[in-house]
Amino acid sequence: QVQLQESGPGLVKPSQTLSLTCTVSGGSITSGIFYWSWVRQPAGKGLEWIGRMSPSGSARYNPSLRTRATISGVASSDQFSLKLSSVTAADTAVYYCARENIPWGPESWGQGILVTVSS
Amino acid sequence: QSALTQPPSASGSPGQSVTISCTGTSSDIGRYNFVSWYQQHPGKAPKLMVYAVSKRPSGVPDRFSGSKSGNTASLTVSGLQTEDEADYYCSSYASGNDLFFGGGTKLTVL
Repeated sequence: QVQLQESGPGLVKPSQTLSLTCTVSGGSITSGIFYWSWVRQPAGKGLEWIGRMSPSGSARYNPSLRTRATISGVASSDQFSLKLSSVTAADTAVYYCARENIPWGPESWGQGILVTVSS
Repeated sequence: QSALTQPPSASGSPGQSVTISCTGTSSDIGRYNFVSWYQQHPGKAPKLMVYAVSKRPSGVPDRFSGSKSGNTASLTVSGLQTEDEADYYCSSYASGNDLFFGGGTKLTVL
């Protein structure tokens, strides 16, 4: 049974870069058929797919975040990261990492981490 | 590409059935059988309830069923139970494997 856990700062200043890490246990991010994704949810609002990373490390992003988001694996570990640059208050949300089984969608999720953008 | 369209709310009494719709376009729901549904209780992560339009992951009660007609997918919850009260989100892939979610439907069990 795969488990995912997000970690990172809960507070980021405007214009800075948000950096989160997802630790995967019970599975390898560099082999198999699964992709590794980030999804966010502002308070009281819906889900937004940010992007995903393949087992080979290639990434694909939501067109609306493509210029600011970077998803990559952490060398020699079953961790992957999200970096979101030039953040504003609109980026305040709960951020989830997930294992994605294309074309069925994210099937296993972390518990989520609240990131607030504020000075 | 914009989010899929869901009604903001739905409700039903215990034991009744309720259906939640999810409307997309001919580029996503209408083109592919890649619709999934998620249940989210307050403060919790989403849980996959239906995938590939109508398939259920292991452990999901058969009270949850999915279907699709044209550009609209639907989730039906039969025999409503109090624990079914939650937010429900649909998702679909579009060309290029971009993933889109609906805006969510709050299901209230009266």
